[in-house]
Amino acid sequence: RKEVEQDPGPFNVPEGATVAFNCTYSNSASQSFFWYRQDCRKEPKLLMSVYSSGNEDGRFTAQLNRASQYISLLIRDSKLSDSATYLCVGDGERGNTPLVFGKGTRLSVIA
Amino acid sequence: DAGVIQSPRHEVTEMGQEVTLRCKPISGHNSLFWYRQTMMRGLELLIYFNNNVPIDDSGMPEDRFSAKMPNASFSTLKIQPSEPRDSAVYFCASSFFTTNQPQHFGDGTRLSIL
Repeated sequence: RKEVEQDPGPFNVPEGATVAFNCTYSNSASQSFFWYRQDCRKEPKLLMSVYSSGNEDGRFTAQLNRASQYISLLIRDSKLSDSATYLCVGDGERGNTPLVFGKGTRLSVIA
Repeated sequence: DAGVIQSPRHEVTEMGQEVTLRCKPISGHNSLFWYRQTMMRGLELLIYFNNNVPIDDSGMPEDRFSAKMPNASFSTLKIQPSEPRDSAVYFCASSFFTTNQPQHFGDGTRLSIL
């Protein structure tokens, strides 16, 4: 079982739509979660951390569901500039191992 | 503040040649990571260092790959000899600690082996 799994998409949504991605993780002891954004032919960039109580940054909301072992990213009022691949990141399977990255979910926001 | 700096940005070379990729981590970061990214396999961790010491190189695909970190501000990833299947984007990332902290990526090196 992969440590972090995401639906690769693509998710094609119209401008202004709300879209949500989920990501499941296998390490039940995992404490650290992040969402990264990667534009085409660019490096992954940290979008936001995911806190236990959930957190919001503008149009973006991240949530953690420990019972079902998944994190989510919600994007409201989608913009064309939101088109990118979103990578889910969590702790490694064993203690003291680096973060593991999902393969990403591709989002295309269409005019 | 300067981010992670990688060089070269692009490298095109013939198979059999030696390739050296370079990385300067963010000052103050104690952990450095080398990744390879392809469409098929996504982002793969090749090796990581903590305080300049290699911790886990189990992701290095073959003995043709080697990495060094002679000091806190410089690391290299070397492929010798290179093969066409090594073509990928190679990223270097750094963070304050190996775990729990977000990693910051360089722009990457786009490597093409002909």
